[in-house]
Amino acid sequence: GDSVTQTEGQVALSEEDFLTIHCNYSASGYPTLFWYVQYPGEGPQLLFRASRDKEKGSSRGFEATYDKGTTSFHLRKASVQESDSAVYYCALSDQGQGGSAKLIFGEGTKLTVSS
Amino acid sequence: DAGVTQTPRHEVAEKGQTIILKCEPVSGHNDLFWYRQTKIQGLELLSYFRSKSLMEDGGAFKDRFKAEMLNSSFSTLKIQPTEPKDSAVYLCASSLKLVPQYFGPGTRLLVL
Repeated sequence: GDSVTQTEGQVALSEEDFLTIHCNYSASGYPTLFWYVQYPGEGPQLLFRASRDKEKGSSRGFEATYDKGTTSFHLRKASVQESDSAVYYCALSDQGQGGSAKLIFGEGTKLTVSS
Repeated sequence: DAGVTQTPRHEVAEKGQTIILKCEPVSGHNDLFWYRQTKIQGLELLSYFRSKSLMEDGGAFKDRFKAEMLNSSFSTLKIQPTEPKDSAVYLCASSLKLVPQYFGPGTRLLVL
């Protein structure tokens, strides 16, 4: 079945550091890819999505590029802030192919940014 | 528009009790999802409704978990009987075709 793998379980950075969180996926079709962010006590909220190869999604300084060749959708930010501390989830959905709208989530990466 | 509403936000139950969690999706959304979130297992899909029809009922959760969609604007998740291992955050989300899922704040359940 479809799956999403996030390499880093936890990432600890200082303010203004560069962030990369790796996300690789496995899917039989041509999925839509998402990044969600979850703050303590809240549900996940959408950062952005991408639906086709080479499409770049971005929001709040975060960005990721859909790469079908390497089946990746790595999250990057040039300069993190303490307020970016949260759990980040990569996810996929094959709803664009007329399939299920359900999301398949990666394990999540807890980002902690210190000042 | 109001987002996804979940009640209660916190629930404490004794082992063996029946509990009912409630969810109101975003108005106009026709897909509704229930997830369980734990530190160990992460986000697990429990149930998925499209236009009130049950599309997927998570196999591992069938015996004691029952989700229902009574109308297009209200869903419940019943856990009967509860066990300590059910302690988790239960998240409800809704979406419309080609629109990403919007999540509620979750219900934190503690089973003693």
